[in-house]
Amino acid sequence: ETGVTQSPTHLIKTRGQQVTLRCSSQSGHNTVSWYQQALGQGPQFIFQYYREEENGRGNFPPRFSGLQFPNYSSELNVNALELDDSALYLCASSLDRGGSYEQYFGPGTRLTVT
Amino acid sequence: AQSVTQLGSHVSVSEGALVLLRCNYSSSVPPYLFWYVQYPNQGLQLLLKYTSAATLVKGINGFEAEFKKSETSFHLTKPSAHMSDAAEYFCAVSGNSGNTPLVFGKGTRLSVIA
Repeated sequence: ETGVTQSPTHLIKTRGQQVTLRCSSQSGHNTVSWYQQALGQGPQFIFQYYREEENGRGNFPPRFSGLQFPNYSSELNVNALELDDSALYLCASSLDRGGSYEQYFGPGTRLTVT
Repeated sequence: AQSVTQLGSHVSVSEGALVLLRCNYSSSVPPYLFWYVQYPNQGLQLLLKYTSAATLVKGINGFEAEFKKSETSFHLTKPSAHMSDAAEYFCAVSGNSGNTPLVFGKGTRLSVIA
């Protein structure tokens, strides 16, 4: 069974640019959540996708957007990058939506905005 | 609304000593509670979870936690620390409905001294 994978591992972008981060869910999982983890902080919920539809969103501006594909892989897009967007971005997949279902986390993508 | 407070951003114990990491939560609905561990440059791994069954929850690597509703606490313990336990630990809460995300505390860094 393949776990959650994320690409790229590291990324350096310039302020104002756009970035796309990718996530492959664990086999059989239909729900994916994205989190932002700033240095020294706990992860913060960005949004969740369930069967290709957005199923909840945290306190992040619209320049953070996402997609989930029919194979349940997912993308996180961030437009107009700001210095504060520098963080570890974590993707987590689960068998279904709902708090009782364990979320399996990928290793993350480290984004640095200069 | 839900929130998590982890008391102590850094805890240091001797190898073989008791590990106690504190977590208090606030939730407007019956909570599900989780402890995750994060090793350097890695994603999050679930240690254990409480989903309204037994209040004493046993997890991996010898860790356990007790849900105390009256104290709104979910402290993590391990009788005897091992060097390999050194990592960042996060407590998280979610609601028991379909689209409540994980809300994380700020984390506690555990150091184990030989």
